[in-house]
Formats: sequence, C-alpha cells, structure tokens
Amino acid sequence: DQQVKQNSPSLSVQEGRISILNCDYTNSMFDYFLWYKKYPAEGPTFLISISSIKDKNEDGRFTVFLNKSAKHLSLHIVPSQPGDSAVYFCAAGDSGTYKYIFGTGTRLKVLA
Amino acid sequence: GAGVSQSPSNKVTEKGKDVELRCDPISGHTALYWYRQSLGQGLEFLIYFQGNSAPDKSGLPSDRFSAERTGGSVSTLTIQRTQQEDSAVYLCASSSIAGGVGNEQFFGPGTRLTVL
Repeated sequence: DQQVKQNSPSLSVQEGRISILNCDYTNSMFDYFLWYKKYPAEGPTFLISISSIKDKNEDGRFTVFLNKSAKHLSLHIVPSQPGDSAVYFCAAGDSGTYKYIFGTGTRLKVLA
Repeated sequence: GAGVSQSPSNKVTEKGKDVELRCDPISGHTALYWYRQSLGQGLEFLIYFQGNSAPDKSGLPSDRFSAERTGGSVSTLTIQRTQQEDSAVYLCASSSIAGGVGNEQFFGPGTRLTVL
C-alpha cells in the first residue's frame, strides 16, 4: 500500500521548457511535503518543501504546488536546464514526524 | 563542511554471509536515519535514531537486520545471513532537528549491496 505515489517513472523535456513532476498521496494526515533530487551514485539532496498551510512555495526556478483536496503536489522547474537531469523524489509526512514516506521517483531528462 | 559519509560504497557478498554498513553523520546532527532503495522502488525507511532515545526500528524488514549508533554519532547497520532480496542501495541520512518543518535530511552517497 503505497501512501506516496509518483506515477510517471520518467519524463523528457526540452531545455528551456517547463518540467512538471507529479506526486499523489493518500494519507490525509500528511501536512508536510518535500522534494529531493538525486544524481547517480550520490545521495538525494533536499530541493524544496511545502507545508499544508500554503498551496505554493517558490525558490528560484523551482515551485511546488499543493492541492490538499486532491491530495496532489507537483514540482515545476522553469526553465529546465540539462543539469536538472536527475531522479526526483517526493516525500510526505505529518509535521510532527521524523518519518517521511518517499515516492518511487521520477527520472527527469532535460534535452539540450 | 563534511557531509554524511558511508562506507563501503560497494559491497558484494555471498548469500548467508553477514555484512556491516557504516554511516558517519554530519557533526552535531542528533537524528540519524537508515533507508533502503531496492531496484525500481522508493526509499524505504528502516530505522531512526534520535539522541539518547530508544531507536525506532519499525522499518526493519526482519530480525536479520539490526543497527546501532555509538556515542550519538557513527552508526552501523548489520545484516546477518544475507539473502539475495537484501540487494539494494542502503542510504543513511542525518538531520539537525527531530521532525517538523525544516527537518531537512542530508543523505550520504549510499552503499550498494549485492548479494550473490
């Protein structure tokens, strides 16, 4: 029973265009969400987070949107760059927890 | 400063052998996590240490798995009598606070374990 799902295992986008990575969750208790980026042979690195009191959080080229009613969040990368090519994991939990549930990841490839 | 380090980076072992995986967290980080990523899967929580509190072992898949954290710093994950299904990348992470907003976990590069 996967509580956090990333239904697209891979995504290819042209350089300069928008990349949209999606994540769905099932547990309505989750109120804190994170995105991590992972390059091959490296550990995941924190990218951006959002708490349920907001529906959008922006950091440079990265924006995370949260739709609580749909239990859906998305990561937008604009404009996409070849260096963004990596696996992106979303994670969710309740804000008092130390234990986040991770999705299976989406491999993003940005084509030059 | 130094990030989270893990050793070895790769480990190949024969079925039935015991293995030890090591994690050095970021200095001063009180929280330490172990995760496992099997092929095509997400990060699976294994165990969590916070300060001197009893660890949360709820994610350990079987009693062949154990972990300890000595002196609140270095951690060792031990897998006894390894099985082929234990093959995965084992990731360690640490964080400066226990949970909640801002609980950014810093990950090590992982140990790729292959059980033949």
